[in-house]
Amino acid sequence: DTGVSQDPRHKITKRGQNVTFRCDPISEHNRLYWYRQTLGQGPEFLTYFQNEAQLEKSRLLSDRFSAERPKGSFSTLEIQRTEQGDSAMYLCASSPRVITPQETQYFGPGTRLLVL
Amino acid sequence: AQTVTQSQPEMSVQEAETVTLSCTYDTSESDYYLFWYKQPPSRQMILVIRQEAYKQQNATENRFSVNFQKAAKSFSLKISDSQLGDAAMYFCAYRQGAQKLVFGQGTRLTINP
Repeated sequence: DTGVSQDPRHKITKRGQNVTFRCDPISEHNRLYWYRQTLGQGPEFLTYFQNEAQLEKSRLLSDRFSAERPKGSFSTLEIQRTEQGDSAMYLCASSPRVITPQETQYFGPGTRLLVL
Repeated sequence: AQTVTQSQPEMSVQEAETVTLSCTYDTSESDYYLFWYKQPPSRQMILVIRQEAYKQQNATENRFSVNFQKAAKSFSLKISDSQLGDAAMYFCAYRQGAQKLVFGQGTRLTINP
């Protein structure tokens, strides 16, 4: 098991362009979470999936943001018409089917987005 | 809404000494979980230690231990025998059930050799 992976690790784009990030969770983890972390701050929750169902969305997730997990495995996060305020680290995490005190969320390395 | 507050933006400690990082949280729930995560520079976040709110006994993981005060809604992390590899951002986090994590602002820990 190689852990949670994210691609790309870094992305530089111009304001107004669309970007898409991918997250591959740990195999057999059915829950997948997206967080956003701005410089010097803690991660903030964006959305999460159980299998392919998107169960919760933060109000931080404006209508320019969309996330999918079509087959309950990998997930994509798309940002349309990027703005400079979207510059941040986008973190993905996954957790197993049964959340017990012994289980928690395992984080990927993140995708760092810079909007010029 | 639940909130998590870390009042120490930065802390430093001499190698081999002990340091305590503070965290307070606000919730009206009685059953929840608390975590400390470590985020080394340019590396991914990893779990350091967890605490279940229903347990009175403080969690311990090798050199890491917590002081959980449920009534005061306080959850501090103590690192004993600090090592250079402990240098990182430390985040306190709250979770209720199988839901999202709510993070504090983080504390940057520096280890002085």
